[in-house]
Amino acid sequence: AQSVSQHNHHVILSEAASLELGCNYSYGGTVNLFWYVQYPGQHLQLLLKYFSGDPLVKGIKGFEAEFIKSKFSFNLRKPSVQWSDTAEYFCAVNNGGRRALTFGSGTRLQVQP
Amino acid sequence: DSGVTQTPKHLITATGQRVTLRCSPRSGDLSVYWYQQSLDQGLQFLIQYYNGEERAKGNILERFSAQQFPDLHSELNLSSLELGDSALYFCASSPGTGAYEQYFGPGTRLTVT
Repeated sequence: AQSVSQHNHHVILSEAASLELGCNYSYGGTVNLFWYVQYPGQHLQLLLKYFSGDPLVKGIKGFEAEFIKSKFSFNLRKPSVQWSDTAEYFCAVNNGGRRALTFGSGTRLQVQP
Repeated sequence: DSGVTQTPKHLITATGQRVTLRCSPRSGDLSVYWYQQSLDQGLQFLIQYYNGEERAKGNILERFSAQQFPDLHSELNLSSLELGDSALYFCASSPGTGAYEQYFGPGTRLTVT
């Protein structure tokens, strides 16, 4: 069964700091990868996705992620965070045979002004 | 706004009771997914419907069932409720069963007392 690991459970940064959140998945075949964000009290919003092609994908709000197949990783990055980025971030994966998403446990990001 | 709607937003009920959660997918989307988000289990896939037919099952209890109607809205039925069923229940939709991103609704917060 596929699984997703997010190693950072709680990250605290100051505004303008750079962000990198780790995501590793376990599945040997073709995968689709996603990062979702959940602002306090709100629903999940898609930040970015990777299906195929360029392993460096750009999403909304200045976020990007890099798919490294050899490392089974899909880390999320942002060069300079803002207070409004305070939220919980979820990495998710599905594969060719299973369209339902498998989520990581989430990373709570707190950005201090 | 993702275009996915869920009702009700909040539901408080007693143990042993039965509730129905409703989801309307984005216009044109044929697939509906149900997920449960709880503090101890994280985000877990429950069940998927595509164009009225059940397509995949995840960690869905036997006390839970779902259906998708001809107008493509879906209902999740939870019966013999237990305290541990208290959670956020999200519905997501996608155009089909291929490699598509899923768009999430605002969720229904269920509290079982």
